Amino acid sequence: GAVVSQHPSWVICKSGTSVKIECRSLDFQATTMFWYRQFPKQSLMLMATSNEGSKATYEQGVEKDKFLINHASLTLSTLTVTSAHPEDSSFYICSASPPSGNTIYFGEGSWLTVV
Amino acid sequence: GNSVTQMEGPVTLSEEAFLTINCTYTATGYPSLFWYVQYPGEGLQLLLKATKADDKGSNKGFEATYRKETTSFHLEKGSVQVSDSAVYFCALRDYGNNRLAFGKGNQVVVIP
Repeated sequence: GAVVSQHPSWVICKSGTSVKIECRSLDFQATTMFWYRQFPKQSLMLMATSNEGSKATYEQGVEKDKFLINHASLTLSTLTVTSAHPEDSSFYICSASPPSGNTIYFGEGSWLTVV
Repeated sequence: GNSVTQMEGPVTLSEEAFLTINCTYTATGYPSLFWYVQYPGEGLQLLLKATKADDKGSNKGFEATYRKETTSFHLEKGSVQVSDSAVYFCALRDYGNNRLAFGKGNQVVVIP
């Protein structure tokens, strides 16, 4: 079964609203999680590194005020897309690894459509 | 910085044909290399990996060998099936962290 779970799998929201995506590690604690974005027919691009108990580290070109990341517990990171616009429509996927190992687990991904 | 390059364009082939998807990389240090597969409407699944030079990763009939001398990690399968139709991503990870750099991906379509 899944060891990293994302919710929701699909979400449609109106322009200007905010939407939150959750990433949970089910069987282990993760001090670090990663958020990626995938535009249609393109590769996955790392957006940010989510750090438990501290601020996220954003990749160059990613707006931190638009993509709010909160890693409030060792099993949960959330990505909030604020004031969403149609160009934010994309596939968002998170990854996490147990502290004792180097296996990377991906969530199922979340499809966001902004209308 | 680290980067991964995959061959351009989708790949269309007949069932039981031989599949090769090229992947080359640029990295400092000693990265681990991965192939991920994404089936339609689904998330990423690890297909295989190799953590050091000359390692061969294999799974479900797919193979890839970590070639440090050519900085390559080409994916191969001797006889593809329709169920292998998916997008395949090559990726690398730096030693010591879990950030991944992905190639652009190749869509593979297997025709019966």
